[in-house]
Amino acid sequence: AQKVTQAQTEISVVEKEDVTLDCVYETRDTTYYLFWYKQPPSGELVFLIRRNSFDEQNEISGRYSWNFQKSTSSFNFTITASQVVDSAVYFCALSEARGSGGSNYKLTFGKGTLLTVNP
Amino acid sequence: NAGVTQTPKFRILKIGQSMTLQCTQDMNHNYMYWYRQDPGMGLKLIYYSVGAGITDKGEVPNGYNVSRSTTEDFPLRLELAAPSQTSVYFCASSFYTTPKLASGEQYFGPGTRLTVT
Repeated sequence: AQKVTQAQTEISVVEKEDVTLDCVYETRDTTYYLFWYKQPPSGELVFLIRRNSFDEQNEISGRYSWNFQKSTSSFNFTITASQVVDSAVYFCALSEARGSGGSNYKLTFGKGTLLTVNP
Repeated sequence: NAGVTQTPKFRILKIGQSMTLQCTQDMNHNYMYWYRQDPGMGLKLIYYSVGAGITDKGEVPNGYNVSRSTTEDFPLRLELAAPSQTSVYFCASSFYTTPKLASGEQYFGPGTRLTVT
């Protein structure tokens, strides 16, 4: 069975600080996908990034960066120079490859990390 | 495109009542899902569908039913509401191609906040 652990329940930082959100996953599949979603106070879920298990390149998008390490089964998310608008719950999720043709679907979510950025 | 829409946004039910949560997507996605989110928890999959006429149970299906008669719609039915079903319900959709390995991100609706008293 697959599992996603976000050990940090809550993090509080001051604006402009860098912050890293941890994500550790468990899976028996060799092919899988990892995601990060953001849930701001308004409640909607916003897709941030998807990574394939066979692509360990780190990714940077503006102030956001992701570090994927298969050796430690981790997919950590860093926000550089945090802003108040970054305040949200962040979810890490895992999807395994299933079904004919390799199509996959079901997401397993971690419990989320509540990030509060104070001015 | 409206994306994924859900109705209602809020609902209060009495124990034993029934209701249907509506979900519609206009992105021609083949996969659709229902999740519930309890306070302080991640999302848990209730049911999913890989296409019209095909549905399957997720992690927490008890007390719910679904149907998928069209590509666009994926309603979730609560037959006998119980306090344990108080939660926020999210519908999502995604598109997968076969046979190529692909993982499309899931697009979520705004959620329905349900309270059962």
